Amino acid sequence: DADVTQTPRNRITKTGKRIMLECSQTKGHDRMYWYRQDPGLGLQLIYYSFDVKDINKGEISDGYSVSRQAQAKFSLSLESAIPNQTALYFCATSDLFPGGGQPQHFGDGTRLSIL
Amino acid sequence: AQKITQTQPGMFVQEKEAVTLDCTYDTSDPSYGLFWYKQPSSGEMIFLIYQGSYDQQNATEGRYSLNFQKARKSANLVISASQLGDSAMYFCAMRENSNSGGGADGLTFGKGTHLIIQP
Repeated sequence: DADVTQTPRNRITKTGKRIMLECSQTKGHDRMYWYRQDPGLGLQLIYYSFDVKDINKGEISDGYSVSRQAQAKFSLSLESAIPNQTALYFCATSDLFPGGGQPQHFGDGTRLSIL
Repeated sequence: AQKITQTQPGMFVQEKEAVTLDCTYDTSDPSYGLFWYKQPSSGEMIFLIYQGSYDQQNATEGRYSLNFQKARKSANLVISASQLGDSAMYFCAMRENSNSGGGADGLTFGKGTHLIIQP
């Protein structure tokens, strides 16, 4: 089983719908992240969480919200989806780091298309 | 200004040749980490190698090595003896540690290089 699991893997929906993307991890990591990848661009940080009580906005948080239900679960919501939110979404985790060398471990991504 | 710059949108390399993927970065943080990830056509992000700003030696992981030139703010990925399976997108990313202890966190990514290995 994958260490970082994203559901669904693919989703097609219509403008204005509410969508939730879910992420669960078995790595026991405290830190969890949501990123978005648009074609031709690198990943951009949407939200991140240090623990269940600490959630922070990333560089492109507008139009998104998150929920950290438990150490292992971090959900991303689009309250009212719009076409330019069509992208590949990644969840990632990392451990507390002694010196910054801990890599982030990514899920396999969710391909979201908004018509 | 971009924090991570990858100047090669695409590269074609013959199988078994070595390849260098360029990455330059911009930060005023004295403590930072540089990462390379591989993204095959299937889409997943695979961690390859890490270099810390205080590391004295260049990082190596199997066929991957990182040519770290701190004064030039460059962190190029070198793949030796390329294989067909190396064909993928490659992303350079940075984590600024002074922000990550309790404040900002997350990786900043470049736009990537699309590497194609030809037989």
